Amino acid sequence: TQLLEQSPQFLSIQEGENLTVYCNSSSVFSSLQWYRQEPGEGPVLLVTVVTGGEVKKLKRLTFQFGDARKDSSLHITAAQPGDTGLYLCAGAGGGSNYKLTFGKGTLLTVNP
Amino acid sequence: GAVVSQHPSRVICKSGTSVKIECRSLDFQATTMFWYRQFPKQSLMLMATSNEGSKATYEQGVEKDKFLINHASLTLSTLTVTSAHPEDSSFYICSAQTGGAKETQYFGPGTRLLVL
Repeated sequence: TQLLEQSPQFLSIQEGENLTVYCNSSSVFSSLQWYRQEPGEGPVLLVTVVTGGEVKKLKRLTFQFGDARKDSSLHITAAQPGDTGLYLCAGAGGGSNYKLTFGKGTLLTVNP
Repeated sequence: GAVVSQHPSRVICKSGTSVKIECRSLDFQATTMFWYRQFPKQSLMLMATSNEGSKATYEQGVEKDKFLINHASLTLSTLTVTSAHPEDSSFYICSAQTGGAKETQYFGPGTRLLVL
């Protein structure tokens, strides 16, 4: 069974601060997705990383996939209140197993 | 692209009744859809994997006779909660995979179920 440890679980910061969310596993994933979810809505895909060491940027968000494809991080620069939400990482096992293993999520609150 | 819809968005029902939730991929064909359950401020729990034209694969601990899944076409999967009880109240979310990026799932907006 693949497990994905996500930290921190809760994060409350002031507008303008930077933050990093981590997802770690002892298992290798063929790809890893990051989602953002707002209350009462479904998760929205932010990015998919596939290659070990890959770095992707989405405006103020920077995603990194570890060299060994066992871990990933999400860094937000100059957080804004609109970044508030539940951030979820999810790893795919590869092969014929298309199920995703989800982290427990990071509930981010950015205070104005 | 890759839009997934769910209907209804919210449903309130009496204990003992059955509720059907629809999940549709609007602009792509999805051979595989997934059904999740989510409790407040928690992550998603996979309930079952739904493949078009075949029986769903349920996760351990999920009662297949209680949560009936039908994937009759490449754009529609349904989840029926049979004989619902208050403990079934939750946020149910479906997702679908596109043919190309098979490991990426696109999620529906979710259905809030409240059983009285």
